[in-house]
Amino acid sequence: DIQMTQSPSTLPASVGDRVTITCRASQDINSWLAWYQQKPGKAPKLLIYKASSLESGVPLRFSGSGSGTEFTLTISSLQPDDFATYFCQHYKIGPWTFGQGTKVEIK
Amino acid sequence: QAQLVQSGAEVKKPGASVKVSCQASGYPFTTYDINWVRQTPGQGLEWMGYVHPGSGNAGYAPKFQGRVTMTRDTSTSTAYMELTSLTSEDTGIYYCARRQYNFDYWGQGTLVTVSS
Repeated sequence: DIQMTQSPSTLPASVGDRVTITCRASQDINSWLAWYQQKPGKAPKLLIYKASSLESGVPLRFSGSGSGTEFTLTISSLQPDDFATYFCQHYKIGPWTFGQGTKVEIK
Repeated sequence: QAQLVQSGAEVKKPGASVKVSCQASGYPFTTYDINWVRQTPGQGLEWMGYVHPGSGNAGYAPKFQGRVTMTRDTSTSTAYMELTSLTSEDTGIYYCARRQYNFDYWGQGTLVTVSS
């Protein structure tokens, strides 16, 4: 199975900060990577697909980059609604696996 | 707008089985795989498998093979996930999700609690 490793696990930040989360794959996944946002008591929500494509309706302050084994999710200016947990997930070949999550919390 | 609505919370004893449903609306049900993903305190988000509503074909993650069955009823646009031989480690939230390449629509989740 392809293992996905995110860092950091927790990210204290303030409104207006630029925030970057890293996701590493245990083998080359090309650009077959998605990012999700999850808030307490809710299902994950798709933000980014194919490493850098923004899902419809997602604010432009979210962006994704990377290919191969190293990827990043960036929030250009953190807003109050963005405090949540973020997960990466590969979809190169089954079984699909997720990172362990990065919780963006109030500093 | 696609929507997936899941059945309610379940409490089961160790060794029992659970069957969770996921009713789709707002899109052609037979077009996209329905996947099941669970979230547990110990393992985070885990993909369990999928069912293709058009053919009924299913595929399962090796970890759950032999213990999970995924089916569908096209007359009601509903997918089902049955998990057997439950243990406390199966306690968690079970989600259905539509997949074309990634998981673009999710159900609201079903809490399954396994306790004696």
